[in-house]
Amino acid sequence: LAKTTQPISMDSYEGQEVNITCSHNNIATNDYITWYQQFPSQGPRFIIQGYKTKVTNEVASLFIPADRKSSTLSLPRVSLSDTAVYYCLVAPFSSGSARQLTFGSGTQLTVLP
Amino acid sequence: DTEVTQTPKHLVMGMTNKKSLKCEQHMGHRAMYWYKQKAKKPPELMFVYSYEKLSINESVPSRFSPECPNSSLLNLHLHALQPEDSALYLCASSQDRLHSGNTIYFGEGSWLTVV
Repeated sequence: LAKTTQPISMDSYEGQEVNITCSHNNIATNDYITWYQQFPSQGPRFIIQGYKTKVTNEVASLFIPADRKSSTLSLPRVSLSDTAVYYCLVAPFSSGSARQLTFGSGTQLTVLP
Repeated sequence: DTEVTQTPKHLVMGMTNKKSLKCEQHMGHRAMYWYKQKAKKPPELMFVYSYEKLSINESVPSRFSPECPNSSLLNLHLHALQPEDSALYLCASSQDRLHSGNTIYFGEGSWLTVV
């Protein structure tokens, strides 16, 4: 089962690009990688999802190397409002195992002025 | 904005009370989830419903009783809770559990305080 490891916390300054890496050494062939953002007292919000190489949307990019044992969420030009906890979730959503729907510890990103 | 709606947003209940948390989605999703989240911890999976049938119960105490009346609704019935059950309860849904790449969408959560 693909257990994920992320840095506990990161600090950045407004306007900088932030890269948060998630390690998932045991990722399976059918697993997708999904990133969520969570503000205090709110539910996690979907940011981006990918399977391999690079995915980009209007808010972030997701880089996945060929071996898929890690992934990097890239947030361009962060602002104070990007201060949140970011979770990486690796799961196939096609199995009966609850452990594959389990979040890792998350990364607290703090954006400083 | 989330398309998973949870009510109430806040609930305070005594240890002898019976209450329910409600969740609704109109995205046509056939999988629905309950998660529990304590402060500064990641969400923990409690239950999963797939096509209105309970498919995963993560050894949750019987004082929590889920119910899926139809494909759009998910309830969590609460009875004889303990103060340590105070937490943010998150409902979520996804298209189904049969295909890879399903995205789980979360509601804003219901804050539960047991006194």
